Amino acid sequence: DAGVIQSPRHEVTEMGQEVTLRCKPISGHDYLFWYRQTMMRGLELLIYFNNNVPIDDSGMPEDRFSAKMPNASFSTLKIQPSEPRDSAVYFCASRQRQGANTEAFFGQGTRLTVV
Amino acid sequence: GIQVEQSPPDLILQEGANSTLRCNFSDSVNNLQWFHQNPWGQLINLFYIPSGTKQNGRLSATTVATERYSLLYISSSQTTDSGVYFCAVARNNAGNMLTFGGGTRLMVKP
Repeated sequence: DAGVIQSPRHEVTEMGQEVTLRCKPISGHDYLFWYRQTMMRGLELLIYFNNNVPIDDSGMPEDRFSAKMPNASFSTLKIQPSEPRDSAVYFCASRQRQGANTEAFFGQGTRLTVV
Repeated sequence: GIQVEQSPPDLILQEGANSTLRCNFSDSVNNLQWFHQNPWGQLINLFYIPSGTKQNGRLSATTVATERYSLLYISSSQTTDSGVYFCAVARNNAGNMLTFGGGTRLMVKP
């Protein structure tokens, strides 16, 4: 398997623009997580899905952020409108086996810069 | 939520030295992972170790779940070991969401 695949790797956008980050989890994995990494807050969970259903979005900073998982092999994280404080590295991770304790694997991340 | 503290926050080693990184957590966990974030930002899985001891080459890890801590040992450090080491934990009743510690930034000098 190619691992968790994220795109784009880098994104530079202007304040106010819509940004869409994409993630393809490892095939067969039941859980998908979106994390954000900043210098100030470290790695923090934004939202996670189980079998394509959003379970906990309490980490989503505000209504400008939304995430979807239309099928088992694809998820998006959208920011609309984007602001400079959204600049961060966004990671997607996936894990298999609902109900079991197995390790999570992370994608390479998307480095977002909002100017 | 669960608190995860890592120590030391920063560590500088001479190549060939050994080191121990510590991770303390505030509640019982079912999942504990160690990651290495390399200078390119990639999060690399090192160990999945909710309890017990594991070894992989020059690295080994021990988790004492009853005492709520885990240790990562790096022996004969190399410059390629540089980066940030993260401990992350999860509780089964929390959907196994990983909560990360603040990391230990390691620099290995040649």
